[in-house]
Amino acid sequence: GQNIDQPTEMTATEGAIVQINCTYQTSGFNGLFWYQQHAGEAPTFLSYNVLDGLEEKGRFSSFLSRSKGYSYLLLKELQMKDSASYLCAVRDSNYQLIWGAGTKLIIKP
Amino acid sequence: GAVVSQHPSWVICKSGTSVKIECRSLDFQATTMFWYRQFPKQSLMLMATSNEGSKATYEQGVEKDKFLINHASLTLSTLTVTSAHPEDSSFYICSAREAGETEAFFGQGTRLTVV
Repeated sequence: GQNIDQPTEMTATEGAIVQINCTYQTSGFNGLFWYQQHAGEAPTFLSYNVLDGLEEKGRFSSFLSRSKGYSYLLLKELQMKDSASYLCAVRDSNYQLIWGAGTKLIIKP
Repeated sequence: GAVVSQHPSWVICKSGTSVKIECRSLDFQATTMFWYRQFPKQSLMLMATSNEGSKATYEQGVEKDKFLINHASLTLSTLTVTSAHPEDSSFYICSAREAGETEAFFGQGTRLTVV
């Protein structure tokens, strides 16, 4: 079956750096997405990786290793507004998005 | 970025009635739209995929006669929850994607409460 694993919850301190990991086992691979979702709101797009390596976008970076079925989202200079759930999603060979359960990130002052 | 507008943001309805949720792409042509349901503290669950002008493809376990999806134009898709029951109370989210594009953009979501 298809599966995406990410930690349920993480806690970090304002101003620090946090890495949220995502491992996946899917039928084929056509890209990996990271989304941010604040409570009660729809997800917003953060990043897209289809080739191995690091994609940097401001304070957020996303890394992909296709051979390991592994990705991480790196958040730097954490701000209180970064408290949210972070969803990892993989597009499989049928171009369907397979979603992880999300990682709830709690930022403490 | 592209904008997807979902309406209403929240709705309360009586058990047994039907509710229609609209999803509009405001500045692009959405050839494909996706409808998700999300229960509290859970991830998104894909309900169906619709392509403009054709019937929606429903995921296993989703009742097509209960969740009616119409994608009649390149900018509008609707989800109608028919004969709603309290267990249908959930957060419903649409996303839309333009042909040839990688990213799908999400609407704001609709919180449905059936009493």
